[in-house]
Amino acid sequence: AQSVTQPDARVTVSEGASLQLRCKYSYSATPYLFWYVQYPRQGLQLLLKYYSGDPVVQGVNSFEAEFSKSNSSFHLQKASVHWSDSAVYFCALSLPSGTYQRFGTGTKLQVVP
Amino acid sequence: DAGVTQTPRHEVAEKGQTIILKCEPVSGHNDLFWYRQTKIQGLELLSYFRSKSLMEDGGAFKDRFKAEMLNSSFSTLKIQPTEPKDSAVYLCASRDNANTEVFFGKGTRLTVV
Repeated sequence: AQSVTQPDARVTVSEGASLQLRCKYSYSATPYLFWYVQYPRQGLQLLLKYYSGDPVVQGVNSFEAEFSKSNSSFHLQKASVHWSDSAVYFCALSLPSGTYQRFGTGTKLQVVP
Repeated sequence: DAGVTQTPRHEVAEKGQTIILKCEPVSGHNDLFWYRQTKIQGLELLSYFRSKSLMEDGGAFKDRFKAEMLNSSFSTLKIQPTEPKDSAVYLCASRDNANTEVFFGKGTRLTVV
């Protein structure tokens, strides 16, 4: 079965510091991978997606993620965080054959002064 | 172009009541999803429709949860009867096809007392 694991429930970083949110997936082949952000009382918004090709993908608001087949990972990164990045971040996967998206349990990011 | 619209945004129900949540997907989208979101379980799939046909039905939710697509632009999720453990945020989402972005509504927060 396919699954997504986000090992860190909460991450706290200082404003201006770099960020990495971890995501590991379980699937025998290469899935489609996604990162979403959820602000309070809002739905999920797509940050970036990976289907194939260049393992480093760029997303909105200077976020990027790197796909690693050998590590079954799709970690989200940002060089310098801003207080407005405080939110919950979800990693998700779906299959190229077309199914629903499976989500990790989310990582709550808090950016402190 | 309007996004995914969910109504109501908040619902309070007494145990044993029947409630109906509504969703209007993005116009022209073929796939529609219902998810339940809780802090402990994260996002769990309730139903997945493709071109109004039910493709996936979350196994754990079959007995009291019923999603329908009355037409391509409107879906409902009925919970009957409600129980306190159903208190959660219910998210509706849609996408054009398997290779495109999923758009989420802002969710309905259900409280069962």
